[in-house]
Amino acid sequence: AQSVTQLDSHVSVSEGTPVLLRCNYSSSYSPSLFWYVQHPNKGLQLLLKYTSAATLVKGINGFEAEFKKSETSFHLTKPSAHMSDAAEYFCALTGANNLFFGTGTRLTVIP
Amino acid sequence: EAGVAQSPRYKIIEKRQSVAFWCNPISGHATLYWYQQILGQGPKLLIQFQNNGVVDDSQLPKDRFSAERLKGVDSTLKIQPAKLEDSAVYLCASSAVGVREDSPLHFGNGTRLTVT
Repeated sequence: AQSVTQLDSHVSVSEGTPVLLRCNYSSSYSPSLFWYVQHPNKGLQLLLKYTSAATLVKGINGFEAEFKKSETSFHLTKPSAHMSDAAEYFCALTGANNLFFGTGTRLTVIP
Repeated sequence: EAGVAQSPRYKIIEKRQSVAFWCNPISGHATLYWYQQILGQGPKLLIQFQNNGVVDDSQLPKDRFSAERLKGVDSTLKIQPAKLEDSAVYLCASSAVGVREDSPLHFGNGTRLTVT
């Protein structure tokens, strides 16, 4: 069975400080993993995706994520938060032919 | 390239009424998805089309929800009759050839439905 667990429903950071959004997964086979961002009243935008070629994945807007099979994790990080990063973030993994999403983490950036 | 278009953006109806949502995917994308996103939750797949055929509708409440994709392009999602618990954002997404690491989903801005 496929499932995704986002460990924090809300993360608050100060502008300029690092961001860590945590995601654990469960899959009966080697999954493809994604991070999406959703700004208010907008659809989901792809941040990055895990391919089997590299465990450290770089995405847009300075975000990156590391696939750790031994820990079944795919945490999203960014060295320095910007105000524009405030949004909802979703971790997702592939099922048979669609995506399973986590429940989301709301990121607040404090000026 | 133009993105996934959805309409309307917002809809307010009373329970037991009917409502329809429309989606126009990215040109050339064979796979189309409808997701339901309840407040505070992640999107949940309702139905997936490959061209104009249904691939997966196992999570679609078929007693009240229906969807079609005529000619393998645009799609409509209908709810009849609506219940209070149907209040959610309905997201349409498309991809070139299903979900693969080289064929990500592109999402529309969604339709926010409020059932009173």
